[in-house]
Amino acid sequence: SQTIHQWPATLVQPVGSPLSLECTVEGTSNPNLYWYRQAAGRGLQLLFYSVGIGQISSEVPQNLSASRPQDRQFILSSKKLLLSDSGFYLCAWSVGGLAKNIQYFGAGTRLSVL
Amino acid sequence: AQKVTQAQTEISVVEKEDVTLDCVYETRDTTYYLFWYKQPPSGELVFLIRRNSFDEQNEISGRYSWNFQKSTSSFNFTITASQVVDSAVYFCALSEANNNDMRFGAGTRLTVKP
Repeated sequence: SQTIHQWPATLVQPVGSPLSLECTVEGTSNPNLYWYRQAAGRGLQLLFYSVGIGQISSEVPQNLSASRPQDRQFILSSKKLLLSDSGFYLCAWSVGGLAKNIQYFGAGTRLSVL
Repeated sequence: AQKVTQAQTEISVVEKEDVTLDCVYETRDTTYYLFWYKQPPSGELVFLIRRNSFDEQNEISGRYSWNFQKSTSSFNFTITASQVVDSAVYFCALSEANNNDMRFGAGTRLTVKP
C-alpha cells in the first residue's frame, strides 16, 4: 500500500533562516506531488505541484521554492523565511490525470516563524 | 476561475443529531470533480468522497451521505447520528478537468458534543 511521509512534524525557525521540508511517497511510482499551505483557520492553498522529476509548477509567487530530485521525493525550501511563511504545510500525492484524481495527504508540518 | 464556498464556519451539535455541511461551487467547465476531505485535530486530510460532474447520484456510506445538485451548484454532506469522533474540520474541494488547481473551500469546523 502507498504511504506518504512528511518531516519534521513541527518546526520553529527565526526570520531570515533557511527552510527545508521533505516529503516522500512509498508504494507507487511516478506520482503527482503537491505542496499546500494552510493558514490558521483557513483553507488550503496550492503552492507547487510536480508531474515528474525536475518538473515543478508554481501556483503562487512567493518566498518559497520546490524541487523534486527523485521520483518520490518532494522538497519545499526557502532561503530566508518571512513571518508570513508561518502555517501548516501539507504534502500530497496522486496518480493519473491531475484534475480528477484523489489526492492523499501527509500528516503535515506546522511551521512557526518568529 | 473555480471557487468553492463553505458558508458555515463552525457548527456545534450534540451527539446523535444529524448535521449537514453545505458546499457551493462555481465553475465554467462542464467536466469537473468534487471532493470532501476530513481534517481531524491531528492535521492530516482524510479523503472521504469524489464525484464527477456527470454523476448526480447521491451517495450513502454508513452514516455519511452526499447530495450533489448541479442545478444549485451544491455538493452538501450530511452526517447522520453524529458522534464525538466526527469532530473535525471538513473541506469541500473542486478540480476542473482543464485545470491543475484543486480549489478548497475555507472549511467547516464541526464540533460534536457528548
